[in-house]
Amino acid sequence: GAVVSQHPSWVICKSGTSVKIECRSLDFQATTMFWYRQFPKQSLMLMATSNEGSKATYEQGVEKDKFLINHASLTLSTLTVTSAHPEDSSFYICSAGRVSGNTIYFGEGSWLTVV
Amino acid sequence: GDSVTQMEGPVTLSEEAFLTINCTYTATGYPSLFWYVQYPGEGLQLLLKATKADDKGSNKGFEATYRKETTSFHLEKGSVQVSDSAVYFCALSDAGSSNTGKLIFGQGTTLQVKP
Repeated sequence: GAVVSQHPSWVICKSGTSVKIECRSLDFQATTMFWYRQFPKQSLMLMATSNEGSKATYEQGVEKDKFLINHASLTLSTLTVTSAHPEDSSFYICSAGRVSGNTIYFGEGSWLTVV
Repeated sequence: GDSVTQMEGPVTLSEEAFLTINCTYTATGYPSLFWYVQYPGEGLQLLLKATKADDKGSNKGFEATYRKETTSFHLEKGSVQVSDSAVYFCALSDAGSSNTGKLIFGQGTTLQVKP
C-alpha cells in the first residue's frame, strides 16, 4: 500500500485564491520531503526541499512567496499555492525518504487546475 | 546542468512484444540512475536502479544497464504484458550529493500494451 499520501488528488480553484496540498508519510518519519511539478509532456521539476522544523530550500526560479511550504511535523508537509493563476495549473507530486534508509517514496500526485 | 532525455511516447505494443525505452543523460560526476513507473492513479514507484557504470538494474522482468561510455540507461523487457501499461520515468541523482531525494527526471514515456 501507499506509504506517502497526497491530498487532494484533484483540485479546481478560481484565479486569485489559494490552495493547499498535503503530503503525508504514513508509516515512517520523514525529516525531508520534496515537492515536484510537472507540466504536460515535460519532466518532473524539483521545486523545493521541505525540511522539518526549518525553512524550505527552493530551487532557482521558484517563487518562495508564491509556493509556501510548511513542514511542521515529521509526517506532514504542505504546499500552498497562493494567489493562483491559470499558469500554475499543473501536476504536483511530493516524495519522502525514510530517515534510516535511502529509499524514496512518492505520493500519488495532485492535479491543480486554476480557472 | 544535469539533465535526462527520454524517447517520446506514447509507445504502443502488442502483448509479448519486446520493449525498449531509450534514456540518455548529461551529468557532471558519477550519478546514480533510476527508472520509476507510474500506474494510472498511483504515485511513482521505483522500478530499478544502478549506482555505477556497468551495473545492471533489474526488476519484474525489466532491465537497464548503466552505460557510461554512451551516457545511457535504456529500459528493456523481453515480453510485455497489458499490466505493464504505465508511464515510465528515467531519473538521475548526483552521487556526490548527500541529498538522495533530489532527482532529475526525464519527461516520461507512456507505454500502452494491447492484448
